[in-house]
Amino acid sequence: GAGVSQSPSNKVTEKGKDVELRCDPISGHTALYWYRQSLGQGLEFLIYFQGNSAPDKSGLPSDRFSAERTGGSVSTLTIQRTQQEDSAVYLCASSLRQGGSGNTIYFGEGSWLTVV
Amino acid sequence: DAKTTQPPSMDCAEGRAANLPCNHSTISGNEYVYWYRQIHSQGPQYIIHGLKNNETNEMASLIITEDRKSSTLILPHATLRDTAVYYCGRGSNYKLTFGKGTLLTVNP
Repeated sequence: GAGVSQSPSNKVTEKGKDVELRCDPISGHTALYWYRQSLGQGLEFLIYFQGNSAPDKSGLPSDRFSAERTGGSVSTLTIQRTQQEDSAVYLCASSLRQGGSGNTIYFGEGSWLTVV
Repeated sequence: DAKTTQPPSMDCAEGRAANLPCNHSTISGNEYVYWYRQIHSQGPQYIIHGLKNNETNEMASLIITEDRKSSTLILPHATLRDTAVYYCGRGSNYKLTFGKGTLLTVNP
């Protein structure tokens, strides 16, 4: 597709279960980002990929969170042993090169995660 | 990002210009100013970005003060569809960090 694609769009899971969120960036974009947006909050940076490597994981809130990217394309964000405070919208974004330095970062529609 | 501050909400009359301020007094020389907006339940939509000079595109204008400590996003003729949360952000190297956003309500 033309934009950043995320799946699932909505996920309800029980506390303690693991979840995987998928992101398909815009074709040809080398940089990929995950952000989180909790209810009524702003956009919180989680992790950045350049190609398949993640130079900055500083935003991951705990060791229950991990992410990988394969083939320089699709990325998966995994949350283990989910907690209710993990409920949020998880946004993926991509840019042609490094975003922020005058390059535009494009966001997907997000994956809405609810932990019950 | 505590270093980027925006008013929590603003109102604007339909057809009028909407001027959304952002304070980024600690911005460094290589950080760009970015603006995005988010309509309920959708992903953030890119609007415009700039470094030092004022910028204009089909959506908006961005005015950056000479000292770069603040900026203003201008929607020249606001419509009801412009009602959204507008996020001001700073970007350098690879990372964008955002303020808490301004809820702009355009009233008929």
